[in-house]
Amino acid sequence: NAGVTQTPKFQVLKTGQSMTLQCAQDMNHNSMYWYRQDPGMGLRLIYYSASEGTTDKGEVPNGYNVSRLNKREFSLRLESAAPSQTSVYFCASGGSGRAYEQYFGPGTRLTVT
Amino acid sequence: GDSVTQMEGPVTLSEEAFLTINCTYTATGYPSLFWYVQYPGEGLQLLLKATKADDKGSNKGFEATYRKETTSFHLEKGSVQVSDSAVYFCALWISSNTGKLIFGQGTTLQVKP
Repeated sequence: NAGVTQTPKFQVLKTGQSMTLQCAQDMNHNSMYWYRQDPGMGLRLIYYSASEGTTDKGEVPNGYNVSRLNKREFSLRLESAAPSQTSVYFCASGGSGRAYEQYFGPGTRLTVT
Repeated sequence: GDSVTQMEGPVTLSEEAFLTINCTYTATGYPSLFWYVQYPGEGLQLLLKATKADDKGSNKGFEATYRKETTSFHLEKGSVQVSDSAVYFCALWISSNTGKLIFGQGTTLQVKP
């Protein structure tokens, strides 16, 4: 089992460019999450999906969109990147009844210049 | 709102020293509490958990006790190793809160040989 995979691992964008971060899990989990990690801020939830076909905003959703493509895949899109979106992005998944036990991908380090 | 506060780091210890990382929380409901660990270059992984007051979570020599009276969940280890160097995150989960983990800002631990 690969667990949670994310692509790409690194990305540099110019202000105004768009991109999609991909995430997939092979643990048959219902819940999937996107977080961003910034120094001194811990992890902040951007969007989450409690089950296939549903998505909800987290703490910092502005500037992002998500798609729960199927049970395995949950993508995060930046439509017009801004320097404030420079961060490390983590995808996570959690199982039914134990969604607090989240499994994290290795992260995507994004720099917006 | 619900929140988690951790002691500021970095914490630097010599090998075999005793470790304490403080964590306190504010919650309107009855949270479950967790410690996650992030090793360099990796995503977070669950270290231990406690789901009700007075529970003690333990794993890999680490322990934390859920203290409702002091709203605390301090992480301890009797003898740290160089391999324990990582960032430690305290988190809370309230199932009625649509199942979202709320993380503290993280505490970096560096253990020197």
